[in-house]
Amino acid sequence: DADVTQTPRNRITKTGKRIMLECSQTKGHDRMYWYRQDPGLGLRLIYYSFDVKDINKGEISDGYSVSRQAQAKFSLSLESAIPNQTALYFCATSEPLAGAVETQYFGPGTRLLVL
Amino acid sequence: GENVEQHPSTLSVQEGDSAVIKCTYSDSASNYFPWYKQELGKRPQLIIDIRSNVGEKKDQRIAVTLNKTAKHFSLHITETQPEDSAVYFCAASNGLGGNKLVFGAGTILRVKS
Repeated sequence: DADVTQTPRNRITKTGKRIMLECSQTKGHDRMYWYRQDPGLGLRLIYYSFDVKDINKGEISDGYSVSRQAQAKFSLSLESAIPNQTALYFCATSEPLAGAVETQYFGPGTRLLVL
Repeated sequence: GENVEQHPSTLSVQEGDSAVIKCTYSDSASNYFPWYKQELGKRPQLIIDIRSNVGEKKDQRIAVTLNKTAKHFSLHITETQPEDSAVYFCAASNGLGGNKLVFGAGTILRVKS
């Protein structure tokens, strides 16, 4: 979905470096998410945000932090990258649906390699 | 918390045959079950979803069935085509914890022509 973009698309970094992954959306959705994908493990939620002032940890938040700079922007930071953070990272967005779980739409992903 | 198991991990079918992927979930409060298709190097794309108030949903060659009693749901693809080859993920959500989706590990579907 071209309405959700991620930068960079690919990144190689070294152990101990700080790195930021950025997500932008033009869908006007309030809710944004960060997932990581590892082979054989599916996608796992790192952090999510329901609005600019609302940030919540997901199931694997250790070693990560996030910033919701605006409704349209949600950044994921690795303060001190380690090799087991090598993965494919996806941003997703959704719009609240009264009384029901809403559909999440994914960005194109960022492939991160930590050496 | 919720746990979703997906089987099989790989599935090879002949073009034109049907493919079935099954997921089981642990949280009886889960009420939303989407299926995503991920082609190589691409993002996951929603192909169909079902909510707990229905038992089956169809969209052309794709259908999903839900058995709340047994806590499992399945994706059915009929008349498979080479372009159906991809990784398929199921997920479940109970609407809590930020509408968190808990994903299965994925199924690699190969359609042989």
